[in-house]
Amino acid sequence: DTEVTQTPKHLVMGMTNKKSLKCEQHMGHRAMYWYKQKAKKPPELMFVYSYEKLSINESVPSRFSPECPNSSLLNLHLHALQPEDSALYLCASSPGPYYNEQFFGPGTRLTVL
Amino acid sequence: ELKVEQNPLFLSMQEGKNYTIYCNYSTTSDRLYWYRQDPGKSLESLFVLLSNGAVKQEGRLMASLDTKARLSTLHITAAVHDLSATYFCAVDGQGGSEKLVFGKGTKLTVNP
Repeated sequence: DTEVTQTPKHLVMGMTNKKSLKCEQHMGHRAMYWYKQKAKKPPELMFVYSYEKLSINESVPSRFSPECPNSSLLNLHLHALQPEDSALYLCASSPGPYYNEQFFGPGTRLTVL
Repeated sequence: ELKVEQNPLFLSMQEGKNYTIYCNYSTTSDRLYWYRQDPGKSLESLFVLLSNGAVKQEGRLMASLDTKARLSTLHITAAVHDLSATYFCAVDGQGGSEKLVFGKGTKLTVNP
């Protein structure tokens, strides 16, 4: 299995909702990443997990809460989001934290109403 | 702070023509990555360039890396419509960072 999967593909939520994004890889990669991408912009790094530990948090607001239950799974819990949080959320993985060829999942298109 | 600059940011070209996209970065790095993104889709890894002088080719695309000049190029040969996409270069963050620093992307449109 050489891909990163993400669910759901699309998500519409209100500002008071709680939802979660899920990411899974079975390539044995030990680093996983969450990115946010707005239209016509490059991806912005949000979080990095290395060996299941949070190693980078790019000063992301606390309404985004990452979780890495095991080496294959990565979640992003969402709570009390704002309309400006609407974006494409991309998960990626790489073999190790310092080997940065990252393999991206298909993304979740999030709309906050 | 590491900066990655791509140019041009927008490129409209005719089928059959050749062109080059440039990626400059501001500090020493031995590794550079090229990604392709189709509208509404995710990023697809195209090339990983791991050392000075590295050259890789896939179909009509060829990428090269000059670490001394801090420059990578993505050359397009005899463009076809299917190559229309946004192309990003990315460089390893400083000091063995786990981060990738992306350029702003080059939106390529190939017209018939």
